[in-house]
Amino acid sequence: GQSLEQPSEVTAVEGAIVQINCTYQTSGFYGLSWYQQHDGGAPTFLSYNALDGLEETGRFSSFLSRSDSYGYLLLQELQMKDSASYFCGIYGQNFVFGPGTRLSVLP
Amino acid sequence: DSGVTQTPKHLITATGQRVTLRCSPRSGDLSVYWYQQSLDQGLQFLIQYYNGEERAKGNILERFSAQQFPDLHSELNLSSLELGDSALYFCASSVAPSGSNYGYTFGSGTRLTVV
Repeated sequence: GQSLEQPSEVTAVEGAIVQINCTYQTSGFYGLSWYQQHDGGAPTFLSYNALDGLEETGRFSSFLSRSDSYGYLLLQELQMKDSASYFCGIYGQNFVFGPGTRLSVLP
Repeated sequence: DSGVTQTPKHLITATGQRVTLRCSPRSGDLSVYWYQQSLDQGLQFLIQYYNGEERAKGNILERFSAQQFPDLHSELNLSSLELGDSALYFCASSVAPSGSNYGYTFGSGTRLTVV
């Protein structure tokens, strides 16, 4: 089976940098993705790592290490609108999401 | 507008009833996925269809079923509804059967309330 773990909550101040970690257990997968979900909204795709290393998209970066079964999402120059839940997910036999991390950005 | 259309947006029904949720994928996408999200919970994968065929199954109850039609729209049927089935049901679509740099595109969801 597949399982993922994320911290349940993270708090940071506007302008700061925050890292949301994701550890997983799976027998094999294609890649790791990150999604953002605002309260009451639909998840939106942020990033995808098929290979080990860092992928950068604007203020957001995502990292994958298959040898460590670990990935993270890095958010820089935090803004109030970044307050949301962030889900990691792995594409294996099907796409399984982690439990989500609620990020609160304080002024 | 993400391009994935889900109807209805809201649904209130009684226990024991049956409902059908509908999803039209983004133009060009062949894969459709259904997810259930209960209050303050994560996204639970239910089932995936690719070009009309069932491709993967998650924790979908026997009371639930789905299908994808030749025009690629999909329906999720929920029967013998229980209070615990109250949740947001999301449909997502993708062009590929598995992950890609483009990810999944989610619809705005159907909020089901069972009373």
